[in-house]
Amino acid sequence: GAVVSQHPSRVICKSGTSVKIECRSLDFQATTMFWYRQFPKQSLMLMATSNEGSKATYEQGVEKDKFLINHASLTLSTLTVTSAHPEDSSFYICSAKVVVSGANVLTFGAGSRLTVL
Amino acid sequence: DAKTTQPPSMDCAEGRAANLPCNHSTISGNEYVYWYRQIHSQGPQYIIHGLKNNETNEMASLIITEDRKSSTLILPHATLRDTAVYYCIVRVIFGNEKLTFGTGTRLTIIP
Repeated sequence: GAVVSQHPSRVICKSGTSVKIECRSLDFQATTMFWYRQFPKQSLMLMATSNEGSKATYEQGVEKDKFLINHASLTLSTLTVTSAHPEDSSFYICSAKVVVSGANVLTFGAGSRLTVL
Repeated sequence: DAKTTQPPSMDCAEGRAANLPCNHSTISGNEYVYWYRQIHSQGPQYIIHGLKNNETNEMASLIITEDRKSSTLILPHATLRDTAVYYCIVRVIFGNEKLTFGTGTRLTIIP
């Protein structure tokens, strides 16, 4: 089946540094990928929609200059958290749409847990 | 997308059927019911979807009432690995691909 791979699964960084998270579709092409963020004991919140070859679409309240998204190929989208601060510590999850039983469904990566010290 | 209402938590004994309800009284005619689950510290996993007929796959069964205002996800023989948060989402089958997650139901399978 369609698999989305995320890397790294865990990352710890110092405050003020930038961190890049990769999201790859392993056996299919993904023109659109979605990035979610999840704080402890909360539900997933959509951050942005990543479109291959064009600018990402950010949800209201998400700083596009802080969360840089690049979707340069049909199998890779990256999320860069710039100048990370402790409040950016969260679980970041990417997803891509696949067709299952005639419907679009989302397949998700395993997530990347970011801890900013 | 139509709003859904789910109980915040449920328990189920291992080996028994787990029945997870979802209310979606404002569902539109072209909206489907989707179920996903999220095991702790993992990305969500698609389970099943349906429009108005009951659906079954290798993971679960989905029962949708005739008026489509509610549905039930059934895990026929729950195992400890089914402990997760289950999300019921209503949306059109194609179109705006964004998926909005509510708070879901935290299902705990008890040995």
